[in-house]
Amino acid sequence: KNEVEQSPQNLTAQEGEFITINCSYSVGISALHWLQQHPGGGIVSLFMLSSGKKKHGRLIATINIQEKHSSLHITASHPRDSAVYICAVTTGGGNKLTFGTGTQLKVEL
Amino acid sequence: GAVVSQHPSRVICKSGTSVKIECRSLDFQATTMFWYRQFPKKSLMLMATSNEGSKATYEQGVEKDKFLINHASLTLSTLTVTSAHPEDSSFYICSVPGTGSYNSPLHFGNGTRLTVT
Repeated sequence: KNEVEQSPQNLTAQEGEFITINCSYSVGISALHWLQQHPGGGIVSLFMLSSGKKKHGRLIATINIQEKHSSLHITASHPRDSAVYICAVTTGGGNKLTFGTGTQLKVEL
Repeated sequence: GAVVSQHPSRVICKSGTSVKIECRSLDFQATTMFWYRQFPKKSLMLMATSNEGSKATYEQGVEKDKFLINHASLTLSTLTVTSAHPEDSSFYICSVPGTGSYNSPLHFGNGTRLTVT
């Protein structure tokens, strides 16, 4: 079993839909990251969380430390949101990341 | 603008040759940089932690002599794939901690797609 599990693996949505991607982890963490990987491979860091909730534009990330679970929400989804979304965690005091397998999101018109 | 510059973005080489990939931190002086590898449809895997002025720390199963890492300055780390073979074909990407310190958001290069023929 992977230390970081994501669901769903693939998701197709219609433009405007509210999207939720889930991440569960089995280890103690110092932080959880949500990353976005574009088709060309480049990766952008969306959020870094250690507790609570963060919002940036149409993106919201939440984390429940007790339940070892995090969610990434996208409101009013748009085709440009199509990408792979990756959950990753850091343990201990450093920046070494353990990655989930990613969620391939496709938003259609 | 980009915080991390990675070059080349794509390289095709013949089996047995060596390939050098550069990762530059443009905004931060980074004592630490990270190198990852990603196979198609697979998750990213940390290969090694590059430490400025000292030896890199390799993850279990990563061959040190195969993947040479040099972090000679606070803004540049290089990964050299030596005597490349087709099984080394993969996507390699580096990251730099924001502000160059631990427990800060990471900035990623755009990656290098290596194809060994």
